[in-house]
Amino acid sequence: AQSVTQLDSQVPVFEEAPVELRCNYSSSVSVYLFWYVQYPNQGLQLLLKYLSGSTLVKGINGFEAEFNKSQTSFHLRKPSVHISDTAEYFCAVSVGRGDTGRRALTFGSGTRLQVQP
Amino acid sequence: EPEVTQTPSHQVTQMGQEVILRCVPISNHLYFYWYRQILGQKVEFLVSFYNNEISEKSEIFDDQFSVERPDGSNFTLKIRSTKLEDSAMYFCASKADRSYEQYFGPGTRLTVT
Repeated sequence: AQSVTQLDSQVPVFEEAPVELRCNYSSSVSVYLFWYVQYPNQGLQLLLKYLSGSTLVKGINGFEAEFNKSQTSFHLRKPSVHISDTAEYFCAVSVGRGDTGRRALTFGSGTRLQVQP
Repeated sequence: EPEVTQTPSHQVTQMGQEVILRCVPISNHLYFYWYRQILGQKVEFLVSFYNNEISEKSEIFDDQFSVERPDGSNFTLKIRSTKLEDSAMYFCASKADRSYEQYFGPGTRLTVT
């Protein structure tokens, strides 16, 4: 079985500063990796995903993440945050092989990004 | 842009009562999911549904839970006899064939008193 750890439950940061949200996973098989964002009173929206290929993936709203297999990490970064980035961010994995994405997502506990003016 | 919708947004029920949470997935999607998030905890997988049958379920999804796609557009989660510990936000998600992206609804907050 796979698991996901998001060590930081809250990350306060000032507007226009860079930010990194950490995600580590464990799995005995290859995985697909995802970052979702949840704005207040809304559902989960996909920010970006890693399936294969280049380890640096770019997503929406200027976010990017880097897959590091040796460190089993998939940290999310943004070089300059805005107030509107204030939200809950979830890292998730699914098993990489088998039915095309049929497998359920396993989520981390989430990181609340608080962007201050 | 197509989106997953869920009703109601908030449901309050008494312990022991049956509840049905409703979801309308994106119209051309073939895979459907229910997840839940107890306050302060992780989002947890409950069940996935494909081709009119359950394809995967977690330990949480016991005999008290059932899912149904009654009319080709709705996807429902039924809890037969609610317990206090069923209080959570329930998310529905859907996915197209040959895609890896699950699209989530806004959730239904279930409060069991």
